[in-house]
Amino acid sequence: NAGVMQNPRHLVRRRGQEARLRCSPMKGHSHVYWYRQLPEEGLKFMVYLQKENIIDESGMPKERFSAEFPKEGPSILRIQQVVRGDSAAYFCASSPETGGNTIYFGEGSWLTVV
Amino acid sequence: AQSVTQPDIHITVSEGASLELRCNYSYGATPYLFWYVQSPGQGLQLLLKYFSGDTLVQGIKGFEAEFKRSQSSFNLRKPSVHWSDAAEYFCAVVVTGGGNKLTFGTGTQLKVEL
Repeated sequence: NAGVMQNPRHLVRRRGQEARLRCSPMKGHSHVYWYRQLPEEGLKFMVYLQKENIIDESGMPKERFSAEFPKEGPSILRIQQVVRGDSAAYFCASSPETGGNTIYFGEGSWLTVV
Repeated sequence: AQSVTQPDIHITVSEGASLELRCNYSYGATPYLFWYVQSPGQGLQLLLKYFSGDTLVQGIKGFEAEFKRSQSSFNLRKPSVHWSDAAEYFCAVVVTGGGNKLTFGTGTQLKVEL
């Protein structure tokens, strides 16, 4: 009974490179959320997706960041031309539907930009 | 603006002592309320949640929380803390009708002295 699976757990990128973070939701979950945790800060909502649809991207930076949740395969958070300020833990969460259902988190992907 | 406040950034308690972590929210309606715990380098684990009904909810690891509408609070408690409870604790809310977008407090770092 796998939980929310994220990979890679740790990723090091040089400034200007691209980072791709993957998330497989729990079985039976069709809603995926991405959160970012900057050092010494709490988690901030980035984006909420359902299969093939972005529902709410109000927390996504306007440039360089994108997310998708294709019909087949994991959700991808993509960061282009990374900068040092992108260094953070990125958490994926999933739920079966909205309306107060419990949201389960993955173990996180730690991005370090050097 | 809607917000979640955890007034205590750091708390230190002795092992065996009781614990209360504070959480206040500011929303017009009653939100769904959660407490999560995060160990260093790890993801978030759900301790307990409140959706409706009995305002005193029991969670895992001996934790409980009480929803007090009049005080807009959802404080986390444990009668006797164990050294393994040292971690960071996050209060989070989902606004009813707002999908499952969690808004987190900034967290409380718990240190347990032996």
